[in-house]
Amino acid sequence: GDSVTQMEGPVTLSEEAFLTINCTYTATGYPSLFWYVQYPGEGLQLLLKATKADDKGSNKGFEATYRKETTSFHLEKGSVQVSDSAVYFCALSEGGSYIPTFGRGTSLIVHP
Amino acid sequence: GAVVSQHPSRVICKSGTSVKIECRSLDFQATTMFWYRQFPKQSLMLMATSNEGSKATYEQGVEKDKFLINHASLTLSTLTVTSAHPEDSSFYICSAQYSYEQYFGPGTRLTVT
Repeated sequence: GDSVTQMEGPVTLSEEAFLTINCTYTATGYPSLFWYVQYPGEGLQLLLKATKADDKGSNKGFEATYRKETTSFHLEKGSVQVSDSAVYFCALSEGGSYIPTFGRGTSLIVHP
Repeated sequence: GAVVSQHPSRVICKSGTSVKIECRSLDFQATTMFWYRQFPKQSLMLMATSNEGSKATYEQGVEKDKFLINHASLTLSTLTVTSAHPEDSSFYICSAQYSYEQYFGPGTRLTVT
């Protein structure tokens, strides 16, 4: 079945550092890929998405590129802020299903 | 647009009592809503799919008699945790499907004492 694997956290960075959170997936078809962000005590918000190979999703300085050849969708940001501290979930949905399959989440902690 | 709300945001109840959590789509109609449970530092576990006007579809291992789901209108789904026990304490998140995507509510923190 479909699955999503994320790097384990927490990822701890200083403000303005470069961020990469790795995500790889397994799917039988051609899934859509998503990154969601969960701030402390809140629900999930869609951060960005990509629906086909080589698409790049971007939002709020975050980017991720759909790499079919490596089945990856790594999240990057050039300069993180303290306010980016949250848990980030990589997810996929396939075919006619709009129910995402989530990774375990990666906690990001950014220090001033 | 596509805002989903949940009420209450936090609830504390005594063991053996029941508690109802509401999930509303504020600016769109949702024929399908979803209920998730999230354990500390873990991912979301889909509990059930709630379809307006019909019975919910529960995931394997989720007790339908314990977690009662009602989707009586196109903007409201409710999850009732019956005879709650401390092990039911968790963060419950709903989502609503709109235009090929899911939009998530802010979550409800349930604590059973």
